[in-house]
Amino acid sequence: DAKTTQPPSMDCAEGRAANLPCNHSTISGNEYVYWYRQIHSQGPQYIIHGLKNNETNEMASLIITEDRKSSTLILPHATLRDTAVYYCIVRSSGNTGKLIFGQGTTLQVKP
Amino acid sequence: EAGVAQSPRYKIIEKRQSVAFWCNPISGHATLYWYQQILGQGPKLLIQFQNNGVVDDSQLPKDRFSAERLKGVDSTLKIQPAKLEDSAVYLCASSRAIAVSYNEQFFGPGTRLTVL
Repeated sequence: DAKTTQPPSMDCAEGRAANLPCNHSTISGNEYVYWYRQIHSQGPQYIIHGLKNNETNEMASLIITEDRKSSTLILPHATLRDTAVYYCIVRSSGNTGKLIFGQGTTLQVKP
Repeated sequence: EAGVAQSPRYKIIEKRQSVAFWCNPISGHATLYWYQQILGQGPKLLIQFQNNGVVDDSQLPKDRFSAERLKGVDSTLKIQPAKLEDSAVYLCASSRAIAVSYNEQFFGPGTRLTVL
């Protein structure tokens, strides 16, 4: 599975959009981009995933560049409860389902 | 639906002792995962079960770690004997199956192990 690169930390003001970038320049055609987050002292939580097209659900939006080498997770109106570590993961459709977590981005939402 | 249950939530032992963790996945989920998360790092997969068969245990230190999933439901992860470097949070996750394109994993709260 392709490796991902994320900034180690980011700040965001409460109520503003949080834009979390992820670089996956070696992604191949059958690999999906997944986002999970981990709030302190909890297990990771699935947010969203995508292959080529942009995706949106009740939690977030995922914007994938046309060349698929990078993506951005958008939390449209960040709240203090969104403070967490956010993991961008690239996963092949043909593998065993294993998620390979990197270091992630620690997002601090400030009042 | 009920989430993934794990117990105990916390465990403190001395090195060379044994310890066991229990996981009850979401009902109907065929796939079960055990992850190890060392402080400051992302979770690392130790072992994956599909029903009661092992799919991937390539990262499991088999000289001291063992896991089983009886009847394809609950699972137990054991460490014997424990080392200081085993101090970590042990996370259990489950998913419906090894889907081709979609595999949302649901995680439990984890067991925090401290080895003294």
